[in-house]
Amino acid sequence: GENVEQHPSTLSVQEGDSAVIKCTYSDSASNYFPWYKQELGKRPQLIIDIRSNVGEKKDQRIAVTLNKTAKHFSLHITETQPEDSAVYFCAMNGGSQGNLIFGKGTKLSVKP
Amino acid sequence: DTEVTQTPKHLVMGMTNKKSLKCEQHMGHRAMYWYKQKAKKPPELMFVYSYEKLSINESVPSRFSPECPNSSLLNLHLHALQPEDSALYLCASSHLRQTPAGTDTQYFGPGTRLTVL
Repeated sequence: GENVEQHPSTLSVQEGDSAVIKCTYSDSASNYFPWYKQELGKRPQLIIDIRSNVGEKKDQRIAVTLNKTAKHFSLHITETQPEDSAVYFCAMNGGSQGNLIFGKGTKLSVKP
Repeated sequence: DTEVTQTPKHLVMGMTNKKSLKCEQHMGHRAMYWYKQKAKKPPELMFVYSYEKLSINESVPSRFSPECPNSSLLNLHLHALQPEDSALYLCASSHLRQTPAGTDTQYFGPGTRLTVL
């Protein structure tokens, strides 16, 4: 079935360093790839998304790249700050109803 | 306004109780979703409503009964739950536009943290 693999499951970086999280998928029909940030006890919050007609998108310190041929997409956070610490989920659209299939999440810790 | 609201924020119920979770959005979205999230796990899809009709039921036990009374409201009726049903229940909504460039953004509510005793 449709599946998205996310790596790494945990990531610890020093403040100011960059963080990269990668997801791979199997369904060629998927064309929408959002990233959500979830802080403890809170809702998943959309931080950036990319659609299949572009290869890269950037919003300040956050960027996402998409390689449709290789079926992977990545989240890049530059100049990390302690408030970036959270669990990050990649996702992709799973069908015509717009439902999302999530990766297993990456717990990012940014040490001051 | 990109807000999805959910009530209650917390709910504790016994296995014989009947309760309901509520979700509301006023963004004109015609797709609404229920997800279940256990601790340290990703959200798992339960139900999808499209134009107020149930379009996806991910083999959810009948003790969970969804309802979409109108385009802004989504309910989840709970009856005879089990302790393993304790989780964060998230509602989400989106437009139903399908284009070659992908589906529309999905917005999540704050969730209801459910504890079944």
